[in-house]
Amino acid sequence: SAVISQKPSRDICQRGTSLTIQCQVDSQVTMMFWYRQQPGQSLTLIATANQGSEATYESGFVIDKFPISRPNLTFSTLTVSNMSPEDSSIYLCSVAGLAGRLSYNEQFFGPGTRLTVL
Amino acid sequence: AQKITQTQPGMFVQEKEAVTLDCTYDTSDQSYGLFWYKQPSSGEMIFLIYQGSYDEQNATEGRYSLNFQKARKSANLVISASQLGDSAMYFCAMREGGDNAGNMLTFGGGTRLMVKP
Repeated sequence: SAVISQKPSRDICQRGTSLTIQCQVDSQVTMMFWYRQQPGQSLTLIATANQGSEATYESGFVIDKFPISRPNLTFSTLTVSNMSPEDSSIYLCSVAGLAGRLSYNEQFFGPGTRLTVL
Repeated sequence: AQKITQTQPGMFVQEKEAVTLDCTYDTSDQSYGLFWYKQPSSGEMIFLIYQGSYDEQNATEGRYSLNFQKARKSANLVISASQLGDSAMYFCAMREGGDNAGNMLTFGGGTRLMVKP
């Protein structure tokens, strides 16, 4: 598996501010994704981070609220913009396709970022 | 309709006993994959096991095995010889489409497993 790190691991933010979460992988990966897990809930896919192009967002998520960057094959950022208390969640990045290996049968997650919005 | 259903919000099991966590899925794709993850209280998502729709044998990984019943569209996780460290949330997830369809996963609601000493 890959070693995936996220920064920050947790944060408490004020309403109306923005937070950028970083995801770093120790090897090149084909695919990177961002998920949200609201308190007591399951995981929901926000978007697929595409290297060198705009992310692909799932229904209910928009680029203005969750801008995503992926400048290379090992790094991605997710920004939560103009935050409200409803954005309080765990945000997780996940990766698939390690070092050119087939990707369909494995997907690994970072440790997550616990965000609390006051 | 829910794509992934986990009907057991919470379960208890005695240490050293086996436990089955249920998962049913709904898809019209012929090619798909099923994943199980463990989420301890720390919040990390730990990959446990994978079953492909065309795999003829049930997947096994150590104490974890997947009871795959394709006609019933079920992919239950079996944990043998439960340990206290198995106490966690367990999520079933599905990837739809073939191998090149991308790895976007749809998750079930999860089952909280509590192992009693």
